[in-house]
Amino acid sequence: DTGVSQDPRHKITKRGQNVTFRCDPISEHNRLYWYRQTLGQGPEFLTYFQNEAQLEKSRLLSDRFSAERPKGSFSTLEIQRTEQGDSAMYLCASSLAGTAGGFRTGELFFGEGSRLTVL
Amino acid sequence: RKEVEQDPGPFNVPEGATVAFNCTYSNSASQSFFWYRQDCRKEPKLLMSVYSSGNEDGRFTAQLNRASQYISLLIRDSKLSDSATYLCVVSLASGGSYIPTFGRGTSLIVHP
Repeated sequence: DTGVSQDPRHKITKRGQNVTFRCDPISEHNRLYWYRQTLGQGPEFLTYFQNEAQLEKSRLLSDRFSAERPKGSFSTLEIQRTEQGDSAMYLCASSLAGTAGGFRTGELFFGEGSRLTVL
Repeated sequence: RKEVEQDPGPFNVPEGATVAFNCTYSNSASQSFFWYRQDCRKEPKLLMSVYSSGNEDGRFTAQLNRASQYISLLIRDSKLSDSATYLCVVSLASGGSYIPTFGRGTSLIVHP
């Protein structure tokens, strides 16, 4: 399978625990995005990387959230001291920036997501 | 005001009907526009890009109106398999980067 993969697919945790999600993008893609989606809403942007550099982070992202992409390959998203409001689907997407650096040529390819339930 | 707004629906239409969705965006500096499709409990997938001159892909037609800051999606001859949520995506400029921003989606139900 050469698509975007995410792990784990499902995570149930107790409030206050830390959780980490992993995303393996399509190998030649240099951009990697994290989104969060709740029922009835569209994906909400969290952060994105171009290669190993984290270029943007949503203002909505609290300091309990941190993301890394060492060596510009896979990425991890960690949530510390989880709260019930963190329950959501966490989606990872990758794309290939166009030669002009524009977004148009970079179709987003999503993984199947990691569903988090905080009890 | 949300950056990208869509009517959540649902739009409930019979097979063969023509249905149209609109999406408005707030940032006039937006550069790129797309429609994605998301099936229930699945990840979003690109349906089509939206170009300034408008574009068509089979039964699907997308149009962009920069002056009024909205994009539209027209589906002709609806099929049962078109039932899904249609997400409007606008890339917004943020410090030189382009962030794909999603609307909340419009739900389409096509019935026999």
